[in-house]
Amino acid sequence: NAGVTQTPKFQVLKTGQSMTLQCAQDMNHEYMSWYRQDPGMGLRLIHYSVGAGITDQGEVPNGYNVSRSTTEDFPLRLLSAAPSQTSVYFCASIKSGTYLNNSPLHFGNGTRLTVT
Amino acid sequence: GQNIDQPTEMTATEGAIVQINCTYQTSGFNGLFWYQQHAGEAPTFLSYNVLDGLEEKGRFSSFLSRSKGYSYLLLKELQMKDSASYLCAVTPAGTALIFGKGTTLSVSS
Repeated sequence: NAGVTQTPKFQVLKTGQSMTLQCAQDMNHEYMSWYRQDPGMGLRLIHYSVGAGITDQGEVPNGYNVSRSTTEDFPLRLLSAAPSQTSVYFCASIKSGTYLNNSPLHFGNGTRLTVT
Repeated sequence: GQNIDQPTEMTATEGAIVQINCTYQTSGFNGLFWYQQHAGEAPTFLSYNVLDGLEEKGRFSSFLSRSKGYSYLLLKELQMKDSASYLCAVTPAGTALIFGKGTTLSVSS
């Protein structure tokens, strides 16, 4: 198993450009989520999904779109990048119901995005 | 709304014991997690509490009081490699996690 794979690892965008951060997992996990991490702000939930075809907003959804057409993939789209979206982005997944079984959230290695 | 509070920074010396507190007010509760994160890396899982009481895992222990909305992470026999950020997180609905801002622990010799 590769676990949770995020691409790219690093990206520089200009204001107004669009791009998609990719996230894929091969563990058949139903739940997937996107976080951004900024200095002093911890991890903030952007969007999450409890299964294919189902997505919901987290704490800071503005400026980001998601879709979940398959169980494996959960891409995050920036339609018009802004400097405020400069951050480290983490994708995470977990099998449904396993929180109660002391199963950890699996994180990708992160995407470091800079918007100039 | 969701609110999770923990101290911003803590310092300690090698061999000591440190307790990192976390208080939470969330719309629901399906468990509390502690994660460790070294600079430039993804968070790694430390512990999970869903019932009141103390969970012990080697040098690390985590405590939960649901009635008080309170948890702590206890680190014993501190080592230099324990210098990291410690993240408290709650899953209100058992789907996604909501994280606190993290506590940066610095361990000195």
